[in-house]
Amino acid sequence: KQEVTQIPAALSVPEGENLVLNCSFTDSAIYNLQWFRQDPGKGLTSLLLIQSSQREQTSGRLNASLDKSSGRSTLYIAASQPGDSATYLCAVSYAGGTSYGKLTFGQGTILTVHP
Amino acid sequence: DAGVIQSPRHEVTEMGQEVTLRCKPISGHNSLFWYRQTMMRGLELLIYFNNNVPIDDSGMPEDRFSAKMPNASFSTLKIQPSEPRDSAVYFCASSRDQVRPSGKNIQYFGAGTRLSVL
Repeated sequence: KQEVTQIPAALSVPEGENLVLNCSFTDSAIYNLQWFRQDPGKGLTSLLLIQSSQREQTSGRLNASLDKSSGRSTLYIAASQPGDSATYLCAVSYAGGTSYGKLTFGQGTILTVHP
Repeated sequence: DAGVIQSPRHEVTEMGQEVTLRCKPISGHNSLFWYRQTMMRGLELLIYFNNNVPIDDSGMPEDRFSAKMPNASFSTLKIQPSEPRDSAVYFCASSRDQVRPSGKNIQYFGAGTRLSVL
């Protein structure tokens, strides 16, 4: 059974800090990995998608890396802002059969950036 | 584009009643997903469709749950009869062809339906 684990479960930092969120997965035969953001009472917004052939993706202050051999991904947020406060979810899609469409999610990291 | 539209946003019902959740995917997307989110189990995929055909329903918890996609612009998730343990937030998401591998098929989520079964 594929499992996705996110550490830490919660993180509180002062504004301006650089921070790293971690995601690990048990099966290295992934198809792609996505990082999502979820605000309270809202749906999920896709932040970055890394294909299995890639090692990282960048969007603005966000950088996501992927190391398939070790089963790990990190989301780096530079110069954090209070508006970054949200739950960040990692999700993995595995290759083969009907698995392409199936995202397995981690439990998320609740991030609070205080002024 | 209006994004993925779900209705209702909130639903409160009594145990034993039938509940129907609705979803309108983004125009042009031909893959549609139903997820359930709870504190205990996190976000779980229930079922997904490609070109209106169910591809994988292995996440549907039991026979009380059923999902349909009669056309490319509408899907329903029905629970009959509902039970208190079905209380959760149900999300619908859509993407371009997820089954045809391209590696870039981002899923776009609706705002969810918060279901409370008393």
